[in-house]
Amino acid sequence: DGGITQSPKYLFRKEGQNVTLSCEQNLNHDAMYWYRQDPGQGLRLIYYSQIVNDFQKGDIAEGYSVSREKKESFPLTVTSAQKNPTAFYLCASSTGVWNTEAFFGQGTRLTVV
Amino acid sequence: AQSVTQLDSQVPVFEEAPVELRCNYSSSVSVYLFWYVQYPNQGLQLLLKYLSGSTLVKGINGFEAEFNKSQTSFHLRKPSVHISDTAEYFCAVSYNQGGKLIFGQGTELSVKP
Repeated sequence: DGGITQSPKYLFRKEGQNVTLSCEQNLNHDAMYWYRQDPGQGLRLIYYSQIVNDFQKGDIAEGYSVSREKKESFPLTVTSAQKNPTAFYLCASSTGVWNTEAFFGQGTRLTVV
Repeated sequence: AQSVTQLDSQVPVFEEAPVELRCNYSSSVSVYLFWYVQYPNQGLQLLLKYLSGSTLVKGINGFEAEFNKSQTSFHLRKPSVHISDTAEYFCAVSYNQGGKLIFGQGTELSVKP
């Protein structure tokens, strides 16, 4: 089955630790995105990438980092500089950057204690 | 600034009743409009989209939406809801072809027996 896989589904980390969220897609999509979801705030764009080895900051990139070494993979690192990291993180992909339809993974719920 | 407003944060409704979830966007010459559904702790799934053509768009699960350019609205409707429709619904807009996808804050639909 084609799709986007995010792992793990639930993640717990201690404050001050960096953590990396995985996102893999087998849809052969060029563009990939990371969104953060908080209750009542919709989805906010963290980073996006339109091709391998290239990525751009979204609206709330501070405290996050990404890499795009392979077309299929777009991992997100939540660093200790992120002031409020507890949230639901969603990865998405599309055939082209800002293509009209995005496909989403199942999300990772990160809790920092 | 370009924005999307979902007018109701929560909509409770009884099973088999009709429902309308409201979405307004800031005006632009060219827009592409989407409704996504999110079940608890899941990713987003596309319900329907308007790119051009007929202003009445039919989607999955019996939902439909009407694009109203003069009122800058894209309200989602279903004539008879089921318990299984309980979820959060997001309206999203892309301004101009290839424009960034902007999400509304979400509407939580709660269907009661």
